[in-house]
Amino acid sequence: KQEVTQIPAALSVPEGENLVLNCSFTDSAIYNLQWFRQDPGKGLTSLLLIQSSQREQTSGRLNASLDKSSGRSTLYIAASQPGDSATYLCAVGGGYQKVTFGTGTKLQVIP
Amino acid sequence: EPEVTQTPSHQVTQMGQEVILRCVPISNHLYFYWYRQILGQKVEFLVSFYNNEISEKSEIFDDQFSVERPDGSNFTLKIRSTKLEDSAMYFCASQRGGNQPQHFGDGTRLSIL
Repeated sequence: KQEVTQIPAALSVPEGENLVLNCSFTDSAIYNLQWFRQDPGKGLTSLLLIQSSQREQTSGRLNASLDKSSGRSTLYIAASQPGDSATYLCAVGGGYQKVTFGTGTKLQVIP
Repeated sequence: EPEVTQTPSHQVTQMGQEVILRCVPISNHLYFYWYRQILGQKVEFLVSFYNNEISEKSEIFDDQFSVERPDGSNFTLKIRSTKLEDSAMYFCASQRGGNQPQHFGDGTRLSIL
C-alpha cells in the first residue's frame, strides 16, 4: 500500500527566503507525481506535475524534482512571498493508478 | 480559463438519506476523480473514472457509493444511505490525459446530521 509522507508539517519563513518542501513515498512504481497548493476552504490548485520518466519540472519560482529510486520529491520555492502562504500537498498516482496524497506542509511566509 | 464546477457548495442531509453531489468537469477532459477530505485530515482518493467506467476505487468506495456520467458533461457521486462519518469536503477533479495535471473544483461540503 502506497504511503506518502511530507516533512515538515508546518514551516514559517520570512519573506524572500528560499525554501524546500519534502515528499517521500514508499512504492516507487508511480505513474506521476503532482504538487498542489490548497488555500483555506478552497480546492486544490495544481502547481507542477512530474511524469515518472522525468527528473524535474520548473514553473516560475517553483522547481520540483523526483528521485523515484529513493522515493523522494522536493518542491523548491525561490524568493518566497506572503502570497505563497498555503498548504502544499504532493500526490502520487493518477491515470490508471489510485492517487495517494501526503498530509501536507502548511507554509506561512511572514512579510 | 476552463474550470471544474461543483454543486452545491454545501449540502446538509439527515443520516440515512441519499445524496447526489454534482460536478461539471472541463469539457475536453477524459479522466475524472472524486476525493474527500475530512476536516483536519488529508485528501483521500475515492474513485477514478475513464471511458465510462470505474478505473480504480479505494477501500472507502464501498457499495454505498456510486458514480455516473449520465449525459457526457456531468459527473455525479451518489451516496445511498449517508452516515455521520460521511461528513467531509468532497472534491471532483478532471484530467485531460493520464500524464496531464488534475484540475480540482472548489468542493462540496457535506454535513450529515
